[in-house]
Amino acid sequence: EPEVTQTPSHQVTQMGQEVILRCVPISNHLYFYWYRQILGQKVEFLVSFYNNEISEKSEIFDDQFSVERPDGSNFTLKIRSTKLEDSAMYFCNSASDGETQYFGPGTRLLVL
Amino acid sequence: SQQGEEDPQALSIQEGENATMNCSYKTSINNLQWYRQNSGRGLVHLILIRSNEREKHSGRLRVTLDTSKKSSSLLITASRAADTASYFCATDLRRGGADGLTFGKGTHLIIQP
Repeated sequence: EPEVTQTPSHQVTQMGQEVILRCVPISNHLYFYWYRQILGQKVEFLVSFYNNEISEKSEIFDDQFSVERPDGSNFTLKIRSTKLEDSAMYFCNSASDGETQYFGPGTRLLVL
Repeated sequence: SQQGEEDPQALSIQEGENATMNCSYKTSINNLQWYRQNSGRGLVHLILIRSNEREKHSGRLRVTLDTSKKSSSLLITASRAADTASYFCATDLRRGGADGLTFGKGTHLIIQP
């Protein structure tokens, strides 16, 4: 069964550094998303992407964040200058119909 | 209360019993979805129920939706130890758009063997 994959599974970085989290959505899906989950808290929506542009973004998704679909398969989330509070599990999702979203396994980001 | 709040926060039952979790939300929705998360892992989609549906079944899962009360319930029948996980409801507000889901804080379900 096709799955969303994410790399790396874990990333440790220093505050102020840039990180790029990578995702390969399910191949025939058209809608792509990033969410995050701070330890012990609920899953929070960051951004959705459709037709090569951002469809919707939350207030969390400020100028430090950006997304890109550089080719036909990858979907990336970049955090320009990481802060301590960016430490979280980051999930990439994809959907074929804009409704049922399939989660990747996540990247655990730790900012020191 | 926030959009998508589950109760109880934690539930511990014996294997074989039924587990019921509830979710309340505030605004009109297009659909409501239930997800399961095992500790430290990704979320697994369980079931989606649309605003014009009242009940949906999938294996041992039964979901109800009451739009007049803005609430949903997830029933797991004949629970198994492997059902131990956190369960989240998530609301989708708009039809057909690539909008984000709003998640609740989840119910942590423990099935004791």
